[in-house]
Amino acid sequence: DAKTTQPNSMESNEEEPVHLPCNHSTISGTDYIHWYRQLPSQGPEYVIHGLTSNVNNRMASLAIAEDRKSSTLILHRATLRDAAVYYCILSEYNNDMRFGAGTRLTVKP
Amino acid sequence: GAVVSQHPSRVICKSGTSVKIECRSLDFQATTMFWYRQFPKQSLMLMATSNEGSKATYEQGVEKDKFLINHASLTLSTLTVTSAHPEDSSFYICSAPRGQTGELFFGEGSRLTVL
Repeated sequence: DAKTTQPNSMESNEEEPVHLPCNHSTISGTDYIHWYRQLPSQGPEYVIHGLTSNVNNRMASLAIAEDRKSSTLILHRATLRDAAVYYCILSEYNNDMRFGAGTRLTVKP
Repeated sequence: GAVVSQHPSRVICKSGTSVKIECRSLDFQATTMFWYRQFPKQSLMLMATSNEGSKATYEQGVEKDKFLINHASLTLSTLTVTSAHPEDSSFYICSAPRGQTGELFFGEGSRLTVL
């Protein structure tokens, strides 16, 4: 399985942008890049996903490197409710998703 | 609102008993559902893939006779932890893809405590 590498933790100040990096140097041509987040004691929540082009939705933006070996999840204005563990996952479309350790984001008021 | 629902959200049972956890897709049909387990301060671990009308596919190291999965309808998958032991205490989470959106919907999770 293609693996992803994320920092264990990151901190951000409220109302500031956050850039969460993910490295996936062994990504295959059919792998989508998915981002999920998990708040304490809850199931994960979909954030965004993409294949080659950058993607934007109401929650975040996904910037994908031209060689697809890395990507960055961008939260434009962090709020306290964005504090969670963020997972970057490679998976073919709707295929099983295997979670790594993720990045624990702390948002400071 | 939730599109995948799990029940029960919390369950406490005695060692040696069996516990059933239900996972329902609320407004869509799911031919495939995924079951995960999560220990405290750890990531989710994929246990098995539940396939409607056929046998589940288990990940390596997951005992199929201990974690029975039944996907008898397009909206319901069940996970039964048989002869539960304290080490089975964990947070169990199911998920299902809806259509071709590429988005996986997760249930709220079921916290199992085995005494």
